[in-house]
Formats: sequence, structure tokens, C-alpha cells
Amino acid sequence: DTEVTQTPKHLVMGMTNKKSLKCEQHMGHRAMYWYKQKAKKPPELMFVYSYEKLSINESVPSRFSPECPNSSLLNLHLHALQPEDSALYLCASSQQGIRYNEQFFGPGTRLTVL
Amino acid sequence: GQQLNQSPQSMFIQEGEDVSMNCTSSSIFNTWLWYKQDPGEGPVLLIALYKAGELTSNGRLTAQFGITRKDSFLNISASIPSDVGIYFCAGLYTGANSKLTFGKGITLSVRP
Repeated sequence: DTEVTQTPKHLVMGMTNKKSLKCEQHMGHRAMYWYKQKAKKPPELMFVYSYEKLSINESVPSRFSPECPNSSLLNLHLHALQPEDSALYLCASSQQGIRYNEQFFGPGTRLTVL
Repeated sequence: GQQLNQSPQSMFIQEGEDVSMNCTSSSIFNTWLWYKQDPGEGPVLLIALYKAGELTSNGRLTAQFGITRKDSFLNISASIPSDVGIYFCAGLYTGANSKLTFGKGITLSVRP
């Protein structure tokens, strides 16, 4: 199994809703990432988990709350989002060690905030 | 902060042609990655480069890690319609809490 999966594929939510994005990988990777991507822009890093511990938080607003329940799963909990948070949210994973730098991305969740 | 320069923003080629894309940096990297992204999908890793001067191929794709460690290029030979997409370069200098720096991407169009 050499892929990163993300659910849901699409999500529409109101500004008062609470929702969660899910990411899963079974490649034995020990680093997992959340990125945000606006149309025709490169991905922007939000969070990095290394060995299930949060190692990088790129000053992301607290309405985004990451969680890493185990080495295969990564969640992003969403609450009280703003319309400008509408974007493609990408999960990625990488091994530790010599191949640490090769990040493999999932297909993304297209989020629309109304 | 570190910046990667990818230009032009868009390229238009005829099917069957070769195309080359450059990526330059103001800082040195010890890893260069090239990704392709189709609309509505996540980026797909095409080639990873780890050593200055390294030349690596993946089918019709060839990429090189520049000797100065501040640039990389990607070449696509004999383009086909499915090569259409956005090509991102990404660089990394490994260290504690190191992060990928992405270029702005080049949108490639292939005319049949």
C-alpha cells in the first residue's frame, strides 16, 4: 500500500459548524503533515507531526486543531471557520531517515466555508 | 525566508515536443523534489534529487540537481496530452524542523 488517503473528498460547512478531516497512510511513515492550498498556488505548510508528536505549527489559527491518534492517522478538527479558509487541504507523509524528505501527498479535501 | 523562483508561470507546447523547466533559489538546498499536480488532486512526486550534480530519470522525465545546489531543472521529452498539469519544484535543507520550500509552479499545456 503506497498511498495516502483522505476523507471526505469534498466538505461544505457553515461558519458555526464543527467538522473533521481525516488522513490515513499505511506506509510505515513516521512524519505526517497538513498543508493548505489555494487555487493556482503552492501548498502552504500548517502542521507537522513526527512520531505522533506535534513538531511544527506554522502559527495556524486555533480554529484549526490537529490530532495524531496513532502513527497511521492524522486528523484536522475544524471549528468556527471563516470563508477565507476555503481551500484544498492536503495531507502528506514521509519516512524518517534517509528518505525523510520525500513527502507523499493524499488527494486532498476540497473545503468550502459558507 | 527562502524563496524558489519558477518561471514562466505558464508554458504552451505542441504534443511530441520536449520541454525544460528551471527552478532557482537564493539559498542552497540539499534536496530537490519535483511534483506534478492535476486539477483537484494532490501533488504527485515525480523525482527526488539528493546530491549536487545528480541526474535522475523517471521514464520521459529527467531532472538534475545543480552543481551550485541553488538550482534544479526538469526535462520532459516527447510530451503527451496527459503531461498537462502544474509542475512544482520544492527544496529542502535538512535540519531540525526543516520544511519544504515550494516554487510557485508552472502550468503546462500540451496542444494535440
